[in-house]
Amino acid sequence: EVQLVESGGGLVQPGGSLRLSCAASGFTFSNYWMHWVRQAPGKGLVWVSRISNDGSSTNYADSVKGRFTISRDNAENTLYLQMNSLRAEDTAVYYCARVQRGGYFDCWGQGTLVTVSS
Amino acid sequence: DIQMTQSPSSLSASVGDRVTITCRASQSISSYLNWYQQIPGKAPKVLIYAASSLQSGVPSRFSGSGSGTDFTLTISSLQPEDFATFYCQQSYFTPYTFGQGTKLEIK
Repeated sequence: EVQLVESGGGLVQPGGSLRLSCAASGFTFSNYWMHWVRQAPGKGLVWVSRISNDGSSTNYADSVKGRFTISRDNAENTLYLQMNSLRAEDTAVYYCARVQRGGYFDCWGQGTLVTVSS
Repeated sequence: DIQMTQSPSSLSASVGDRVTITCRASQSISSYLNWYQQIPGKAPKVLIYAASSLQSGVPSRFSGSGSGTDFTLTISSLQPEDFATFYCQQSYFTPYTFGQGTKLEIK
């Protein structure tokens, strides 16, 4: 069964850091580009970042550029999102997602909640 | 960035109704348009990709059409499990952008 499981969310103070993880199973992780998408409470979906299958190429939304870093460990089948200088507006459920050719997300994790508050 | 605008933002309908949701892109995205369904508290689920291709396992009452800037998602006969929020998403350029969502409620 194809599965993505996020972890690492929690409560953090403004200016703090957090690292999210996404453990993949049931497919050949190293064959797929991977993405992070977030959803603030009661709001819509917002694309955050993506990384190529070998980790050599990354892209970010302007709102997180310079603060967030996406990475992956293909030996451990794990995707990461390092989040620094967190702001209240970063409060959201963060989903990792597998992308298929054509750019659609065919597999999502269950999400992990990040709350930035003092 | 490409802006995606869905209409309506909310919709009330009854079981058995035919429902259409539209999505407009701020510039041409060819057929790089995908539709998702999200039930509260759950992750989104892809219904339609490449504007009109039905994802495996998705009921055939869901269909998509359009190209360029204008797209539609149609549910031919609403079932109780279809009441959720629907999002369109363009995958033509990064940043990939989503519509604001259409909340489908039971009348």
